[in-house]
Amino acid sequence: DVKVTQSSRYLVKRTGEKVFLECVQDMDHENMFWYRQDPGLGLRLIYFSYDVKMKEKGDIPEGYSVSREKKERFSLILESASTNQTSMYLCASSRGQGRGYTFGSGTRLTVV
Amino acid sequence: GQNIDQPTEMTATEGAIVQINCTYQTSGFNGLFWYQQHAGEAPTFLSYNVLDGLEEKGRFSSFLSRSKGYSYLLLKELQMKDSASYLCAVSGNNRLAFGKGNQVVVIP
Repeated sequence: DVKVTQSSRYLVKRTGEKVFLECVQDMDHENMFWYRQDPGLGLRLIYFSYDVKMKEKGDIPEGYSVSREKKERFSLILESASTNQTSMYLCASSRGQGRGYTFGSGTRLTVV
Repeated sequence: GQNIDQPTEMTATEGAIVQINCTYQTSGFNGLFWYQQHAGEAPTFLSYNVLDGLEEKGRFSSFLSRSKGYSYLLLKELQMKDSASYLCAVSGNNRLAFGKGNQVVVIP
């Protein structure tokens, strides 16, 4: 069964901490994405990547960075966590443009 | 950029039919997706339209009109398990942009 795996289901971090959210897919997909989902705002794209070592800013990249050292792994980094980054974070992957996305189960991050 | 609009919530009775609308504006278009998301879970793929017309898949159908920037998802023979948020998403400019989702509540 193909899947996208996010390393943590729930995470609590302190303000100012550096936070790593990991995502791994086993489908050999080229494209990977990080979204955050907040009530009333829907899913908003943070960063995406088309290939190893390649990244593109989404709609809300401020306060985040990403890393894609291997094709199957896409990491989201919060350089200095803040309370307004408390959210559900969803990773997704796809094979190409116009193709459906497969989502991970999500990481609910709380910053205190 | 992309602008996607969906109604926020609707309630329907078990066994009924419900239509969820989505309007969009986009500078590039490679298709429109519908996803289902149960509370606390990841979105799951329901349907994909890239050409105008109706796509039917069991109890779910999706319609697209590219000239009008309009799509709808039709849910037939509603079941309690269909209570979920339904997300409209437009593919374009190398990304998938989502609407805010329509919460469907199915009542007995």
